[in-house]
Amino acid sequence: GIQVEQSPPDLILQEGANSTLRCNFSDSVNNLQWFHQNPWGQLINLFYIPSGTKQNGRLSATTVATERYSLLYISSSQTTDSGVYFCAVGPSTDSWGKLQFGAGTQVVVTP
Amino acid sequence: ETGVTQSPTHLIKTRGQQVTLRCSSQSGHNTVSWYQQALGQGPQFIFQYYREEENGRGNFPPRFSGLQFPNYSSELNVNALELDDSALYLCASSSDRGDEQYFGPGTRLTVT
Repeated sequence: GIQVEQSPPDLILQEGANSTLRCNFSDSVNNLQWFHQNPWGQLINLFYIPSGTKQNGRLSATTVATERYSLLYISSSQTTDSGVYFCAVGPSTDSWGKLQFGAGTQVVVTP
Repeated sequence: ETGVTQSPTHLIKTRGQQVTLRCSSQSGHNTVSWYQQALGQGPQFIFQYYREEENGRGNFPPRFSGLQFPNYSSELNVNALELDDSALYLCASSSDRGDEQYFGPGTRLTVT
């Protein structure tokens, strides 16, 4: 099956810093989503981005489908950005939309 | 627009028992997917239901089964519970297969 690798596994930031999270995948996809999981376990949708670039406030994401990677940018980080960030992909070979998750990036933003 | 809801929030069961978890999909969504998330790991796909039929299944044994109802709500049933079944169970709905998935808050199951 498709492999999803996220890097770095852990990230410690000072408030106000910028960061980039990366997601590499091993096969073509027709779905790619970025999520933020809060301490209570809720997965919050950040971006639905199988290709192209999107921005939402301090967050932006870029997916280069032909090179099989996606990047999530966090600018001017805040303590509320702490949590685990997951990349999840839907393989093009699946017509029914299963999401394969990466292992996540644990982000800690310190005051 | 109502989001995805799940019940119960927490559950404690004994090894060998059976459990039923429930999910109400977001308004207008006809597809429900279930995921299991063990501590410290990413969610793993269990199965998906589309218009009341199982539409795809991950690498989980048959004691994991499900249902989807005409109103597109869904149940996950697990028989003969094992200690390794302790996890956060997440339900996601989408407007169609392959579309953006929206997750509920999860049910945390502990098997003792």
